[in-house]
Amino acid sequence: QQPVQSPQAVILREGEDAVINCSSSKALYSVHWYRQKHGEAPVFLMILLKGGEQKGHEKISASFNEKKQQSSLYLTASQLSYSGTYFCGTGGTSGTYKYIFGTGTRLKVLA
Amino acid sequence: NAGVTQTPKFQVLKTGQSMTLQCAQDMNHEYMSWYRQDPGMGLRLIHYSVGAGITDQGEVPNGYNVSRSTTEDFPLRLLSAAPSQTSVYFCASRGGVQGRPYFGPGTRLTVT
Repeated sequence: QQPVQSPQAVILREGEDAVINCSSSKALYSVHWYRQKHGEAPVFLMILLKGGEQKGHEKISASFNEKKQQSSLYLTASQLSYSGTYFCGTGGTSGTYKYIFGTGTRLKVLA
Repeated sequence: NAGVTQTPKFQVLKTGQSMTLQCAQDMNHEYMSWYRQDPGMGLRLIHYSVGAGITDQGEVPNGYNVSRSTTEDFPLRLLSAAPSQTSVYFCASRGGVQGRPYFGPGTRLTVT
């Protein structure tokens, strides 16, 4: 079952902040975040590993709550270039080698 | 390194035709997957492989076959194309069970 993301869509003005959540029904060992622009392949933003280690982007941060099986992506001081659809993805759930993506969050930043 | 390559970039098929979407990677990754993305929707897993000779079904496998004879290649076969298979198809590879996917550029398929 794919992770559920919230909100489904959000509209921001430049400079505003946003939080995107990703919840899984299965235990997570790692979470990746991607951004996809229309007509393009998803682009990698961030990896979060069990134990809290985070590697990624300068102006985008994320958290990983293993107990709640949730991850959140924080976009601060949003720019027009942040517009797109954000997906969380995970392949680290126990008992499977599948890699699946969350339901997606459409984000639009207005000038 | 070319990364993950997919061919063709665009394809139009008539209902009932068959075809193979090609995917290759040069990163020596064990894991490879095929996803489809319908307009305005998310990425759904069709089939995946954890090594040469080993494949398994994803969430939406019906109407598709895969094989993995080498580490580099993971072709996706549409057996008898249907309009419901009109979509963008992405191939991805990753280096381990917790590795992040590297995507190909996608194949845009239209079935009329």
